[in-house]
Amino acid sequence: QKEVEQDPGPLSVPEGAIVSLNCTYSNSAFQYFMWYRQYSRKGPELLMYTYSSGNKEDGRFTAQVDKSSKYISLFIRDSQPSDSATYLCATYNTDKLIFGTGTRLQVFP
Amino acid sequence: KAGVTQTPRYLIKTRGQQVTLSCSPISGHRSVSWYQQTPGQGLQFLFEYFSETQRNKGNFPGRFSGRQFSNSRSEMNVSTLELGDSALYLCASSEGYEQYFGPGTRLTVT
Repeated sequence: QKEVEQDPGPLSVPEGAIVSLNCTYSNSAFQYFMWYRQYSRKGPELLMYTYSSGNKEDGRFTAQVDKSSKYISLFIRDSQPSDSATYLCATYNTDKLIFGTGTRLQVFP
Repeated sequence: KAGVTQTPRYLIKTRGQQVTLSCSPISGHRSVSWYQQTPGQGLQFLFEYFSETQRNKGNFPGRFSGRQFSNSRSEMNVSTLELGDSALYLCASSEGYEQYFGPGTRLTVT
């Protein structure tokens, strides 16, 4: 079993839709959960991170962690074509950042 | 603050050669991590340097090595290149849990 699993997509939604991106992780000891956005031919950009359980909101983005089910989510409200990118979840395993494979999101006008 | 910079951005090498990639972290960051990104394996951790010492290492063969200088700049070296080493090599700097990535070096091995 992989430490972090993520549906690769692609996920295609119309502009203005609410997007839900999800990951599962294997080890209940993981505490820090990160979301990165990567545009084509660019390096990943840190969107937000959460510690332990709960929600964190930043503008149109909300990160959610459910430790009981080992499930992490990123919600994007009012999605825009500029949100089209690959979204990567990640978590720390003994000081090493482990990434999911990424979900490719396409927002069409 | 200036972001993480990586040089060169693109590189083409022949199988069996060696290559050195460079990374300049965000000013004040002492930790530099290196990752390999491929379509099949995704982003995989190579190693991390902190204050000139390797602090963590991923599951890559010894052909992959790195170092960090006193100004926190880092280099990674791959010797005896194989076709499978073709990838985007990313460097990230951090001070704490937030890692900030550079644009990467796209290495093609022919």
